Amino acid sequence: AQTVTQSQPEMSVQEAETVTLSCTYDTSESDYYLFWYKQPPSRQMILVIRQEAYKQQNATENRFSVNFQKAAKSFSLKISDSQLGDAAMYFCALRNAGNMLTFGGGTRLMVKP
Amino acid sequence: SAVISQKPSRDICQRGTSLTIQCQVDSQVTMMFWYRQQPGQSLTLIATANQGSEATYESGFVIDKFPISRPNLTFSTLTVSNMSPEDSSIYLCSVEAGNFGEQYFGPGTRLTVT
Repeated sequence: AQTVTQSQPEMSVQEAETVTLSCTYDTSESDYYLFWYKQPPSRQMILVIRQEAYKQQNATENRFSVNFQKAAKSFSLKISDSQLGDAAMYFCALRNAGNMLTFGGGTRLMVKP
Repeated sequence: SAVISQKPSRDICQRGTSLTIQCQVDSQVTMMFWYRQQPGQSLTLIATANQGSEATYESGFVIDKFPISRPNLTFSTLTVSNMSPEDSSIYLCSVEAGNFGEQYFGPGTRLTVT
């Protein structure tokens, strides 16, 4: 079985500052993919960023980047220059070869103006 | 990516009744998924629906309670049967549509059972 853990139920950040959301996971497979999803109050789940486990290079999408530490089974999300629109629930997710997505419990991010 | 719509967006239902939720995607996809998200919680997979085969249900979910149809490659329905207040949740469908197994989600259906 695979598990995904997000240890921070809530985080807050000042607008324009940087925040890092933590995620750890456990899987027995060597080939897998990791994702961060954002769910704003409108409840639409939006894919933020993805990382292939076989790639050492950390993924980056504009203001969003990850710190992927495979040996430590850690996959944190860094949001730079935070904006009010970044306020949302963020879910870390792991996909294995069996096509199933396992989600973490989520982190609620608040952005202070 | 994929664009997914769901109907209805929300509903309030009486206990003991059933509700069918529709999920439409703008392209042909092999795998569709149904999730439940209880208030303030993460997503829990109900079942995987592949066209042309029976849906595969996760532990704790049964076909009699959550029958699923998948008549073609762009459409699926989930029925929540004999509802109780414990079924009050957001129900989301998703499709696997990326090169790396990423899933794209519909806007969800907020169900309240009274």
